[in-house]
Amino acid sequence: GEDVEQSLFLSVREGDSSVINCTYTDSSSTYLYWYKQEPGAGLQLLTYIFSNMDMKQDQRLTVLLNKKDKHLSLRIADTQTGDSAIYFCAERGPRSYIPTFGRGTSLIVHP
Amino acid sequence: KAGVTQTPRYLIKTRGQQVTLSCSPISGHRSVSWYQQTPGQGLQFLFEYFSETQRNKGNFPGRFSGRQFSNSRSEMNVSTLELGDSALYLCASSPPRVETNTGELFFGEGSRLTVL
Repeated sequence: GEDVEQSLFLSVREGDSSVINCTYTDSSSTYLYWYKQEPGAGLQLLTYIFSNMDMKQDQRLTVLLNKKDKHLSLRIADTQTGDSAIYFCAERGPRSYIPTFGRGTSLIVHP
Repeated sequence: KAGVTQTPRYLIKTRGQQVTLSCSPISGHRSVSWYQQTPGQGLQFLFEYFSETQRNKGNFPGRFSGRQFSNSRSEMNVSTLELGDSALYLCASSPPRVETNTGELFFGEGSRLTVL
């Protein structure tokens, strides 16, 4: 069945780069997403990438997709304390309305 | 546009009781999904409604049910509450697929249920 795996915690120093990794099993995944959940809030789409892309950059965010290894990563440059949140990886196939989410990675940014 | 609105934000129930949670999607969004979020299991899909019909269902027992009204507002109900039902219940809406190809979900802030 479909599965999305990501590590549960990541701790970085303010100003460093953060890299959050995700692996998925569904080879037909067409859309891959990164959602961010701040404390006490719902999830908000941070960025997404189509499966026919290798990389997408958006200001401090860089998404890398290795479709062969079914590996997705999110790099946050110059990480700030405001980036502390839970980051969810998600994937969706071409005929599915429902994305499959990973369990989320808690990013902790310390001074 | 107003965002996805969920009520109530917090509630406390005891085992055996039932609970109803409400979700108002973004105007124009006809698809509403419900998720259960717990520290141990992460984000688990409950069900999705579109045009008052349940279109997809996750792997939850029949105690969990939902419905959608003609104005796209949705409710979910949990009967015979158990301690393990304590969780954050998130509702998400999405726009018609003709408007976007991203499949983005727009989440509410959730209803935090505590079962004692």
